[in-house]
Amino acid sequence: EAGVAQSPRYKIIEKRQSVAFWCNPISGHATLYWYQQILGQGPKLLIQFQNNGVVDDSQLPKDRFSAERLKGVDSTLKIQPAKLEDSAVYLCASSSFPSGLPYEQYFGPGTRLTVT
Amino acid sequence: AQSVTQPDIHITVSEGASLELRCNYSYGATPYLFWYVQSPGQGLQLLLKYFSGDTLVQGIKGFEAEFKRSQSSFNLRKPSVHWSDAAEYFCATSGTYKYIFGTGTRLKVLA
Repeated sequence: EAGVAQSPRYKIIEKRQSVAFWCNPISGHATLYWYQQILGQGPKLLIQFQNNGVVDDSQLPKDRFSAERLKGVDSTLKIQPAKLEDSAVYLCASSSFPSGLPYEQYFGPGTRLTVT
Repeated sequence: AQSVTQPDIHITVSEGASLELRCNYSYGATPYLFWYVQSPGQGLQLLLKYFSGDTLVQGIKGFEAEFKRSQSSFNLRKPSVHWSDAAEYFCATSGTYKYIFGTGTRLKVLA
C-alpha cells in the first residue's frame, strides 16, 4: 500500500512570495489533514477535509492560507503572501475516518518551508 | 477539553539503557492514545496505539506503552535503547475526529 505523498520536500522563498504544497493521500482514505509543525513544537492542525468538504479549519489563517481538495482525493495548501513566521514543516495526513472509530492517521514526509 | 502533556522536552540515555517517555492526557471519556516517532526530516510514524482492552500495548521497534487510567498516563517504554532510536517522540490523543499532539520529547542516545 502506497503511503501519503507530498511535494515538494523542501522549499525556500522570500517573504511576500506565494507557495503551494501538494498532497496525495492513501487510496480510499476519505479524510485528509494539513498540519503545521514549527521547530520544537508538535503538529498543529490547519485544516481537515472529509472527502472534498471542510470539517475543521478553525486554526487556518484564512487571510493568507487556503486549501482545496478537488474530487476528494489530492489536496493543495497555498500560502500567499508568506511571512517569516510561516517557516515550518507542513505535514499532510490521511485516515479512513469516518469509516469506523477509532482510527489512525498516516503521515506523509512533510514539506519543509523556509521563508527568508 | 482534550489535552496531552509531555513533561520532558529532552531526554538523554546511553545505548543499551532502558527508556521511559512520559505522557499525561486529559479527556473525559476513555481516550484513544497514540505514540508517534519522527526522525529528522521525516514525517510521523505510528509506534503504537491504545483503544481499549489490555492496558499494556506492544508496538513496533520493541516499544511498549502502558495505559494507566488512575494516573491519566500513557508512558512509552523500551528495555534497551539503540542508537537508531534517537528521534522526537510525540504522544497524541483523539476524540471524535481530531488529534491533539503533545509538544514532543527529543531523545538523544549516547554511544
